[in-house]
Amino acid sequence: KAGVTQTPRYLIKTRGQQVTLSCSPISGHRSVSWYQQTPGQGLQFLFEYFSETQRNKGNFPGRFSGRQFSNSRSEMNVSTLELGDSALYLCASSFGIEQFFGPGTRLTVL
Amino acid sequence: GESVGLHLPTLSVQEGDNSIINCAYSNSASDYFIWYKQESGKGPQFIIDIRSNMDKRQGQRVTVLLNKTVKHLSLQIAATQPGDSAVYFCAEIPSGYSTLTFGKGTMLLVSP
Repeated sequence: KAGVTQTPRYLIKTRGQQVTLSCSPISGHRSVSWYQQTPGQGLQFLFEYFSETQRNKGNFPGRFSGRQFSNSRSEMNVSTLELGDSALYLCASSFGIEQFFGPGTRLTVL
Repeated sequence: GESVGLHLPTLSVQEGDNSIINCAYSNSASDYFIWYKQESGKGPQFIIDIRSNMDKRQGQRVTVLLNKTVKHLSLQIAATQPGDSAVYFCAEIPSGYSTLTFGKGTMLLVSP
């Protein structure tokens, strides 16, 4: 069974731009969660989607948004990028308790 | 808010030794505690979990211990191998939620 895939793997943007990241979950998984990983803050939960509905949301500003499609694929968008948004963005899909993570998208904001 | 933390940022061991990675948590209302391993360039990988009503759970070469009295979680790795070198995170799933709250991570370095 194919794992969680994320595209793109690497991204460089400048301040003020927006970015869209994509995640394809494991087949059959309906829950998709997003996390931000930085050296200073570690792994922080952004949001979770289940059956196209946002089920949980972390403590991030409204510039961070996401959505999930009927095939469970998910996207997250960050608008008006700031330098502090530079991070590894991880997507995880799950069917039960265990969450399976993708390799992440490394976003660098210049 | 409440958070999950780790005592040691870096743990260096010799190949063949047993490793113990510790984690302190503050949210007593969590249903599950989970250990993840993250290798360089990869996403976290599930190692083992333990429900809040258990004290100990064993897997292949790994054992997780949960002490709810002192809110402490530990991961024991037997016969540590160079391939175990990675960052280890403890995480919890608060009751009523399905999301993970991660600790800061401990880097395990295994020397041959």
